[in-house]
Order: sequence, then C-alpha cells, then structure tokens
Amino acid sequence: AQKITQTQPGMFVQEKEAVTLDCTYDTSDPSYGLFWYKQPSSGEMIFLIYQGSYDQQNATEGRYSLNFQKARKSANLVISASQLGDSAMYFCAMREPNTGNQFYFGTGTSLTVIP
Amino acid sequence: GAVVSQHPSWVICKSGTSVKIECRSLDFQATTMFWYRQFPKQSLMLMATSNEGSKATYEQGVEKDKFLINHASLTLSTLTVTSAHPEDSSFYICSARTPAGGVYEQYFGPGTRLTVT
Repeated sequence: AQKITQTQPGMFVQEKEAVTLDCTYDTSDPSYGLFWYKQPSSGEMIFLIYQGSYDQQNATEGRYSLNFQKARKSANLVISASQLGDSAMYFCAMREPNTGNQFYFGTGTSLTVIP
Repeated sequence: GAVVSQHPSWVICKSGTSVKIECRSLDFQATTMFWYRQFPKQSLMLMATSNEGSKATYEQGVEKDKFLINHASLTLSTLTVTSAHPEDSSFYICSARTPAGGVYEQYFGPGTRLTVT
C-alpha cells in the first residue's frame, strides 16, 4: 500500500487566495513525522513544515499551515495568500522510526499560481 | 539551516561511461546519507541508505553493482553510476542526516541532473 497519497496532480490558485493541497498517509506506527517540501523548477527540495504524530496543535510556519487530522490520517497543507513564487511541485512525506527514518514521498502536486 | 552540496549540478555523459556524483555535508557530520532518484514529473524514489564506514543498503530493484555508493567520511558520500545508459538519465538527490536528532536533522542537496547520450 502507498505510504503517502497525494490525489491532486495539479492545482491552480489565484494570486492572494488560499489553497489546500491534500495528503493522506498510511502507517501503523504510533510515532511518525509528516513533512511538506516545495520543489521549484530548479529541483532543490525546500523544507516547508513539519508535524509530529504526537503534536497536539497543527503546525504553522508563516503562510504555511498543516491541517493534521490524525483519525483520518490526513495532513493537508494550506498556503494562505498565494504568491506567484509559490508555483512549484509540492511533496508530502512521512518518516517512521521503525523503518530507519527514511522518507516516503507522495507523488506530488504541481501548483500554479495565476496572476 | 544545515547545508548539503552536490557536485556536479548537472552532467552529460556518453553511454557506457561511468559518472561520479558527490554529496557533501558542509557544516555538520552526517552519519547517514540517502540517495534518491527522481524521473521527470515523478516523486523521489529512495535508492539506497549509506552509513559512514559501512556498506550501503539498497532498496529493492536497485542494482548495487551499477550504482556504487561510498560513504568514506562523515561529510562525503559518492554515487557512481557505472556503465551508464540513457535510461539512467534522471535527477539524483542526496540527503544527509545528523546524529543530533530532532525533526530538522535531515537535509537535502540541490540535486544532480544526469543525461546519458
């Protein structure tokens, strides 16, 4: 089974609007970490936000917030006030201690911000 | 944050030749480094995990004799693509993990784009 599922291959958002990128995950480990990375056309992986499985509150980092719904095993990324520079691929990832802390990546969502 | 570099950033080689890609942790000691491959418009796929001073652990389906990984020091890991073929053309990304722990302890390099002609 897929560890990380991103069901939106591509998304469009109007500049200054908010957008939600979906991510669901599958694990039986009670301890895990969820990450979102941004990959612009240059290819570098840019860390955006992290949510630990035991964190009580949703993570926030500036314009990024993570809507963590543990019972539903979802970890959606919300980008507020979209900017043209937000256009990129976005990857959701999970790390589990019992698998050597390797990252499992989703297939990614291509976000395009429209002026 | 910590910096991981890769060299070269892009390389073109002829079919049948070998190519070495370096991954360096610039300001920390990386006990573990990971090598990923990413085909266009696809996700990152883990190829192997290397721990300093020991043999790399390869993921299922990755040919260890074709993709040679050496992690000889705490700041350097190399991936050598031997007898490269056009189907090996891909974007290769390394990441390095510190032994310090914490959620931010894994950092990605900028990637190396390999084109085999």
